[in-house]
Amino acid sequence: DSGVTQTPKHLITATGQRVTLRCSPRSGDLSVYWYQQSLDQGLQFLIQYYNGEERAKGNILERFSAQQFPDLHSELNLSSLELGDSALYFCASTPGVSRTDTQYFGPGTRLTVL
Amino acid sequence: AQTVTQSQPEMSVQEAETVTLSCTHDTSESDYYLFWYKQPPSRQMILVIRQEAYKQQNATENRFSVNFQKAAKSFSLKISDSQLGDAAMYFCAWVSGNTGKLIFGQGTTLQVKP
Repeated sequence: DSGVTQTPKHLITATGQRVTLRCSPRSGDLSVYWYQQSLDQGLQFLIQYYNGEERAKGNILERFSAQQFPDLHSELNLSSLELGDSALYFCASTPGVSRTDTQYFGPGTRLTVL
Repeated sequence: AQTVTQSQPEMSVQEAETVTLSCTHDTSESDYYLFWYKQPPSRQMILVIRQEAYKQQNATENRFSVNFQKAAKSFSLKISDSQLGDAAMYFCAWVSGNTGKLIFGQGTTLQVKP
């Protein structure tokens, strides 16, 4: 158990809908990273938050957004869902923003868009 | 874009034997960090081992060790005394720049035969 929690584990929804994925980092970690794992794109970095502020952005679609709350949990919002958004979404956390920090991953949320 | 390449989509090894998984990167940075993550059928991402580029000594964690060739930009993972529980997909990853985001290879699926 990495100490990072993600809910829900599975999500099945229809095209055009909006969903919210939740992540709670390890105790004491201030930084949260979101990744998408899909069959065609592999594992891709989406976005990073540190202590409530967006710090880095990757290949995140405009239909996707995220935020980190004062209690440090983070939410990834996916809207106008398309079939191609079906993927496993991971979050990871680290104490700070140093690249020397090891990222510990949550169990992931599997999103299926029908 | 900087990339990480795993040239072996699939590998197999006999139980108790040794196997080496290959990984190369193309970063031009001199100070960076490399990781191997394991993803078993449960889909959880589990850290196997990490290597700091400035360290000349190859990292070792029990049966797992790396062969880091800085000039060749190669970072292979050696698994000794393979066990059935080692069967998984293995990803190598590199920490990019100052953001801490991980750039992953495409993954190698390891099969362990009894």
